[in-house]
Amino acid sequence: GNSVTQMEGPVTLSEEAFLTINCTYTATGYPSLFWYVQYPGEGLQLLLKATKADDKGSNKGFEATYRKETTSFHLEKGSVQVSDSAVYFCALISNTGKLIFGQGTTLQVKP
Amino acid sequence: EAGVAQSPRYKIIEKRQSVAFWCNPISGHATLYWYQQILGQGPKLLIQFQNNGVVDDSQLPKDRFSAERLKGVDSTLKIQPAKLEDSAVYLCASSLVGGGRRSDYGYTFGSGTRLTVV
Repeated sequence: GNSVTQMEGPVTLSEEAFLTINCTYTATGYPSLFWYVQYPGEGLQLLLKATKADDKGSNKGFEATYRKETTSFHLEKGSVQVSDSAVYFCALISNTGKLIFGQGTTLQVKP
Repeated sequence: EAGVAQSPRYKIIEKRQSVAFWCNPISGHATLYWYQQILGQGPKLLIQFQNNGVVDDSQLPKDRFSAERLKGVDSTLKIQPAKLEDSAVYLCASSLVGGGRRSDYGYTFGSGTRLTVV
């Protein structure tokens, strides 16, 4: 079946540090892949997406590349800010339109 | 464009009581989803509607949970009777179409209802 696995959190970084949050998936076919972000007290927001192999999604300085050969979609940012502190969810979409999420990774950025 | 509306925002009930949540999707969105997000976990799909028909309810605990989408627009999710383990955020989402790659776009979440069962 379809599933998503993310690295365990929490991840604690200093401001301006480099961020990587690992995400791997198992799926039938070639699903679209997403990163969602949930800021404290807010709802889920789409951060970026990629719809086919080798696509790179990017938004707000975050990037993730769809790697079919390693079934991965790792999230990266070159220089994090305190305002990036949130929970990040990797997800894929099934052929019925169902979003399947990873367990989430909490990021805490300290000044 | 108005977003996905959910109410109430918060609810506290005692175990064995009943509770209902309401969702109004984005106008014109044919597909509506209810997700359950337990603290520290990713959201899990409970039920998916396409217009007013159920597409997937395989993860819905049907002995206590029920959902309906009258006239293919608004939806309600009910829990009766509630258990302590039902404490979670219940998220409603909608998309323009369901199934296939076109559902990559326009998938919008509401702010959720936080349920605490004591």
